[in-house]
Amino acid sequence: NAGVTQTPKFQVLKTGQSMTLQCAQDMNHEYMSWYRQDPGMGLRLIHYSVGAGITDQGEVPNGYNVSRSTTEDFPLRLLSAAPSQTSVYFCASRTQGKNEKLFFGSGTQLSVL
Amino acid sequence: GNSVTQMEGPVTLSEEAFLTINCTYTATGYPSLFWYVQYPGEGLQLLLKATKADDKGSNKGFEATYRKETTSFHLEKGSVQVSDSAVYFCALNNRGSTLGRLYFGRGTQLTVWP
Repeated sequence: NAGVTQTPKFQVLKTGQSMTLQCAQDMNHEYMSWYRQDPGMGLRLIHYSVGAGITDQGEVPNGYNVSRSTTEDFPLRLLSAAPSQTSVYFCASRTQGKNEKLFFGSGTQLSVL
Repeated sequence: GNSVTQMEGPVTLSEEAFLTINCTYTATGYPSLFWYVQYPGEGLQLLLKATKADDKGSNKGFEATYRKETTSFHLEKGSVQVSDSAVYFCALNNRGSTLGRLYFGRGTQLTVWP
């Protein structure tokens, strides 16, 4: 049971480069989300999706794009990376109903030089 | 609005010491409250949760009680182990807010020495 899989684990970019962080889950969860984690800031929500074809902005969406063409995949795109986007990124998916539980991937550590 | 405030770290304890990590929250409506743990190099894992006032969440010797009167959800463990060294995050999910969105505290680093 793979759960939530993120790739890559580490990435170094130059300012202005673009890249896509991949996220896939095999639990058939409708809800998926992206967070960034910065020292002393906790986790902040970037974008989220409540199902295929439906996405919305979170707390810190600027500089990031998402799409949700399938239930399984929820990629996060940086169109023009900036040093302020240096962070650890976590993808998460959620169960439905009363026993809600958020499952996190192992994270992508991104450095933008 | 919705927010979570947890005690600043880092917290350093000897093995078998008593642990308390304070967490208070602000929320509209009736939130669910959570503690997540992050071990080095890993993503966050749910440690325990409580969905209504006076509920006590517990797991792996950790406990936290949902106190509506003090808007608190403090994490406690009677005897910590070296393996408990991790970052602990308090969080809330307000059912009236964005579906499934969790509001996180800043995290508290716990280090336990043998």
